[in-house]
Amino acid sequence: SQQGEEDPQALSIQEGENATMNCSYKTSINNLQWYRQNSGRGLVHLILIRSNEREKHSGRLRVTLDTSKKSSSLLITASRAADTASYFCATAPTGGFKTIFGAGTRLFVKA
Amino acid sequence: DTEVTQTPKHLVMGMTNKKSLKCEQHMGHRAMYWYKQKAKKPPELMFVYSYEKLSINESVPSRFSPECPNSSLLNLHLHALQPEDSALYLCASSQPGLAGGQKSTDTQYFGPGTRLTVL
Repeated sequence: SQQGEEDPQALSIQEGENATMNCSYKTSINNLQWYRQNSGRGLVHLILIRSNEREKHSGRLRVTLDTSKKSSSLLITASRAADTASYFCATAPTGGFKTIFGAGTRLFVKA
Repeated sequence: DTEVTQTPKHLVMGMTNKKSLKCEQHMGHRAMYWYKQKAKKPPELMFVYSYEKLSINESVPSRFSPECPNSSLLNLHLHALQPEDSALYLCASSQPGLAGGQKSTDTQYFGPGTRLTVL
């Protein structure tokens, strides 16, 4: 079963606006990762945040992690049409090599 | 080189065929993964190899048979598949690590996938 739940399921915004996606999970984790997938293609790793970190930045991406609430958010600032894709959170539960993906958020950025 | 390659890109097979999917990485990663992804769904873990040994099998039917001949290669042998097995099959690799003394997975690098259609 999938551990991560994401909301919203779909998000449509104008170019230049910010996009925020949320992820919740159920068990303790070593880290949480965000991936992007363009239609029908492989996943691209965006950012990894470890369980002892609260916030991380990479370019236009900002990720937060709240282990007490078992939740994370991904913020994409100043969105571009090229950001149109599906975004997945993936959790690495403690004690194993398993990675569990959330249901994903489909982001549409209109030019 | 941060690339994971997968062949073939597309595969169409009948239910009685035997075929194989191949995955290769040259990043020195010692953990490799097979995922299955249906349309508009997240990837679902199938198998994990760690140091060329099968570490996780997520109760995958025996018509899927993984093989890790060496640290750079991962195969998925297919036999007597069903139409519902049609999906995108993704390979990934990572460095197996330790977190707090326990096994942990780190950043996974994904290949472009093989689009499989079973007739």
